[in-house]
Amino acid sequence: KQEVTQIPAALSVPEGENLVLNCSFTDSAIYNLQWFRQDPGKGLTSLLLIQSSQREQTSGRLNASLDKSSGRSTLYIAASQPGDSATYLCAVAGGTSYGKLTFGQGTILTVHP
Amino acid sequence: DVKVTQSSRYLVKRTGEKVFLECVQDMDHENMFWYRQDPGLGLRLIYFSYDVKMKEKGDIPEGYSVSREKKERFSLILESASTNQTSMYLCASSLRFGGNEQFFGPGTRLTVL
Repeated sequence: KQEVTQIPAALSVPEGENLVLNCSFTDSAIYNLQWFRQDPGKGLTSLLLIQSSQREQTSGRLNASLDKSSGRSTLYIAASQPGDSATYLCAVAGGTSYGKLTFGQGTILTVHP
Repeated sequence: DVKVTQSSRYLVKRTGEKVFLECVQDMDHENMFWYRQDPGLGLRLIYFSYDVKMKEKGDIPEGYSVSREKKERFSLILESASTNQTSMYLCASSLRFGGNEQFFGPGTRLTVL
């Protein structure tokens, strides 16, 4: 059974700092990995999707990498801003249940001015 | 832009009531999903559907059923609501099975009294 772990559980940084969120998964037979952002009481917003054949994806100040063989992904946020404060969730699709996403518990990010 | 809408943001029901949660997507996606999100347990898949009238159980289908009569609409049904079904319910859709980005709706916060 696929298990997804996110470290750290919470992170508080000053504005302007570059930061890295980590995600690990136990079954490397995945179709893709997706990073989401969730604001309190809201739905999930898709940030980046990395297919299993890709090593990284970039969108603006966000860069996500994937090392399938070691079961790891990182989300890099450059020049963090208070508006980046949210919960960041990592999810993988694949293994024996392709299409279904298995989620990590999330990292709660606070960027203070 | 993909748009996934859910019929209610907040819903309060009584124990034993039959509850319908509706989800509509406007991008002709084949796949639709229902998740619930609980503190400490994260997001868990209840049911998913990969085509009209097709459905598959997720990780926690007990106490729920689903209906997909039209491609754009996926309904989650609580046959007899119980207090342990108080949760945030999130609907998602994706273009095809396995390799594509999932897009989420805003969520329905259901409280069962």
